[in-house]
Amino acid sequence: QVQLVESGGGVVQPGRSLRLSCAASGFAFGDYVMHWVRQAPGKGLDWVAIISYDGSNKYYADSVKGRFTISRDNSKNTLYLQMNSLRTEDTAVYYCARDYIADYWGQGTLVTVSS
Amino acid sequence: DIVMTQTPLSLPVTLGQPASISCRSSQSLVHSDGNTYFSWLHQRPGQPPRLLIYKISNRLSGVPDRFSGSGAGTDFTLKISRVEAEDVGVYYCMQATQNPATFGRGTKVEIK
Repeated sequence: QVQLVESGGGVVQPGRSLRLSCAASGFAFGDYVMHWVRQAPGKGLDWVAIISYDGSNKYYADSVKGRFTISRDNSKNTLYLQMNSLRTEDTAVYYCARDYIADYWGQGTLVTVSS
Repeated sequence: DIVMTQTPLSLPVTLGQPASISCRSSQSLVHSDGNTYFSWLHQRPGQPPRLLIYKISNRLSGVPDRFSGSGAGTDFTLKISRVEAEDVGVYYCMQATQNPATFGRGTKVEIK
């Protein structure tokens, strides 16, 4: 069955960096585009970034452009989100989701940016 | 960016009765490939979102047939034919036709 498992979240100070991972299994990872979506505590869903099947095309929300980098390693069936220059407003649960239609989601990993 | 406007934002419902949520996009969601990448998702408290409906009206495998989606262009509707207790939570519409993908603010469904 399709599984997406995020990891790498934690508590970090403003201005620092963190890298999230999303381990995929149960499907041909390299055949799908992948999203990162986040959700601040008590708030709605906020799209972060998308990456094409082979990693050649990437698109970011304006709020993270220049600070976050989405990437993937199809040989490891893993999606990444490198987050630099973190801000308090980046505090959220970060989810990875499969395909344009976001048909499967992971359980999420919590990132807390606080001094 | 495409703005997704959901109504209502709060929906008290009676068990066994129908319910309906609307979503309007600020521009057409018809992609150049002919598809309309519009989805409905459901999120229960403490859980990740779950896709219910994709490309306007297609139910994901395992989604009960009491859920149905309709619409075209810029106006879309999610209907629940008979609400069950497990249907509480927040419903989001989402478009992935144009980057950045965008979500509606969410409709909170609760039992009266």
